[in-house]
Amino acid sequence: EDQVTQSPEALRLQEGESSSLNCSYTVSGLRGLFWYRQDPGKGPEFLFTLYSAGEEKEKERLKATLTKKESFLHITAPKPEDSATYLCAVQASSGSRLTFGEGTQLTVNP
Amino acid sequence: NAGVTQTPKFQVLKTGQSMTLQCAQDMNHEYMSWYRQDPGMGLRLIHYSVGAGITDQGEVPNGYNVSRSTTEDFPLRLLSAAPSQTSVYFCASSYWYRGQANDGYTFGSGTRLTVV
Repeated sequence: EDQVTQSPEALRLQEGESSSLNCSYTVSGLRGLFWYRQDPGKGPEFLFTLYSAGEEKEKERLKATLTKKESFLHITAPKPEDSATYLCAVQASSGSRLTFGEGTQLTVNP
Repeated sequence: NAGVTQTPKFQVLKTGQSMTLQCAQDMNHEYMSWYRQDPGMGLRLIHYSVGAGITDQGEVPNGYNVSRSTTEDFPLRLLSAAPSQTSVYFCASSYWYRGQANDGYTFGSGTRLTVV
């Protein structure tokens, strides 16, 4: 059974204070690992897909990395508008469904 | 380009009532799916479809029914609502290529359902 565990559950940062979110996963053959951002009352918004260990992707202040067992979402010099819940999901090579973690709720204070 | 549109945004049902949650996409995506999101449990797959006329069960299908008569629409039916079905429901779509859903599922904005 595919599993995704995200940590921490909640994270409070001061504006400009860099940090990382963790996504640990077990999957029977990884096709892709996805990061999403979800704002209150809205649906998840796609950020990145990572396919293989060692891969990295960046978007503005966000950088996602992947190893064989976990992924990190690094947030550099965050701003209050980065406050959201960040979701990690995996897709096995054998199927189409996404298995999601419970998310990390990030709050960036000005 | 509207993306994925879900209606209604909010709904209150009485136990035993039935209703249909609507989902429509205008991106010509073959793959469509329904998830429910509950506190402490993350997003869980209810049903999915890889094309018109093709549907299959996900992780938590009991109490829900789906059909896919067109590429654009994928309605979710609650047959007899129960309080345990109180949740936020999301529809998502994606391209389907070589037997797999592709990158960056597009999600709708959700339907918040309360069953009393």
